[in-house]
Amino acid sequence: LAKTTQPISMDSYEGQEVNITCSHNNIATNDYITWYQQFPSQGPRFIIQGYKTKVTNEVASLFIPADRKSSTLSLPRVSLSDTAVYYCLVGDIDWFSGGYNKLIFGAGTRLAVHP
Amino acid sequence: DAGVIQSPRHEVTEMGQEVTLRCKPISGHDYLFWYRQTMMRGLELLIYFNNNVPIDDSGMPEDRFSAKMPNASFSTLKIQPSEPRDSAVYFCASSPRDRGTGELFFGEGSRLTVL
Repeated sequence: LAKTTQPISMDSYEGQEVNITCSHNNIATNDYITWYQQFPSQGPRFIIQGYKTKVTNEVASLFIPADRKSSTLSLPRVSLSDTAVYYCLVGDIDWFSGGYNKLIFGAGTRLAVHP
Repeated sequence: DAGVIQSPRHEVTEMGQEVTLRCKPISGHDYLFWYRQTMMRGLELLIYFNNNVPIDDSGMPEDRFSAKMPNASFSTLKIQPSEPRDSAVYFCASSPRDRGTGELFFGEGSRLTVL
């Protein structure tokens, strides 16, 4: 199983860019990198997913180097409402063939955004 | 779309009582997952279904736990008898079959307290 390592916590201020890095040294060829966000008293919510290079959507960007052994979630100009726990998951998304067995939520990174 | 609907949102019960948690997945989603979240162990996958059939229940902690999916729009997670260590937030999530992002759509969770 591709194990992920990410910082336990991070602090930032409103308006700053936040980068959360996740290490996944034994990522497999078929594995994708997926990030989820969880607010208190809510279920996790999908943010972004990528396989290589860079992916951007309306919420965040995901940078993946060529060796794919790490990835960085970038949140531009954070606000207080971005305070949450962010999870990095690595695994095969082809669930029909059993790929889901590899998707494991780690401890996540607790991001605190201050005024 | 109403999203994944879970009930009850909160349940307080006494040790030894039976607890039934309910989930209505998003219409058209073929996969349904039950997770448990605690401070100590984080998010743990208990069981998941594909087209109403249990695929992997290796995460179910013991025989006191059981899950059913009688049809595509309803699933239950039952604990009998309940114990204080079962206190946690239980999340249900669903996902479509098509190979895409493999995105999980979570409900808001059921917070269980066993006294």
